[in-house]
Amino acid sequence: QSVLTQPPSASGTPGQRVTISCSGSSSNIGSNTVNWYQQLPGTAPKLLIYTNDQRPSGVPARFSGSKSGTSASLAISGLQSEDEADFYCATWDDSLNALVFGGGTKLTVL
Amino acid sequence: QVQLVESGGGVVQPGGSLTLSCAASGFIFSNYGMHWVRQAPGRGLEWVSFMRHDGSKKYDADSVKGRFTISRDNSKKTVYLQMNSLRPEDTAVYYCAKADGVATLEYWGQGILVTVSS
Repeated sequence: QSVLTQPPSASGTPGQRVTISCSGSSSNIGSNTVNWYQQLPGTAPKLLIYTNDQRPSGVPARFSGSKSGTSASLAISGLQSEDEADFYCATWDDSLNALVFGGGTKLTVL
Repeated sequence: QVQLVESGGGVVQPGGSLTLSCAASGFIFSNYGMHWVRQAPGRGLEWVSFMRHDGSKKYDADSVKGRFTISRDNSKKTVYLQMNSLRPEDTAVYYCAKADGVATLEYWGQGILVTVSS
């Protein structure tokens, strides 16, 4: 059971907008910034969004992040087939003194 | 460019030990904290351990406390994960990652497989 809660799956058709939620508590998301990671099949994870809503260089503007209270969201607009991947949210938990991940969301492009 | 290369994985019997290494290049290693994260087959990401840039502080997941030890040698630009009392549930791909601050895993290695089995 993960400290951060994500839906196990999400899907959309090419061109659609999809959102993935990440729910936590006051000791993690409520107190710290959220990062999102993308893991393409068979590869290592990659930083996709940092500090809630910032994109590293090279990440398309189609990816955006937001945070409100103890929840965060990742939005992907203009969905493309190459976006099929697992997505993880993560943040620091002040009570556990640990980095915590969501369980991951598998995105399928139909 | 940043490169992180893990080594030292393999097959080990339950109760055995293994030490993973992660060699870094492309950045000033001594300025950044480093993480270990693992992923069991078909499962999600699980954070394992973190060490500050100067080795002054480290944090471990409850699942590995007392069994795994993170360390680093800044002169060799390498971070280590000493794993003792290994259990079948420790079977996973282990990734090292460069931290930006504490909680942002900015760059990841390609991962190394550890299999605990008799």
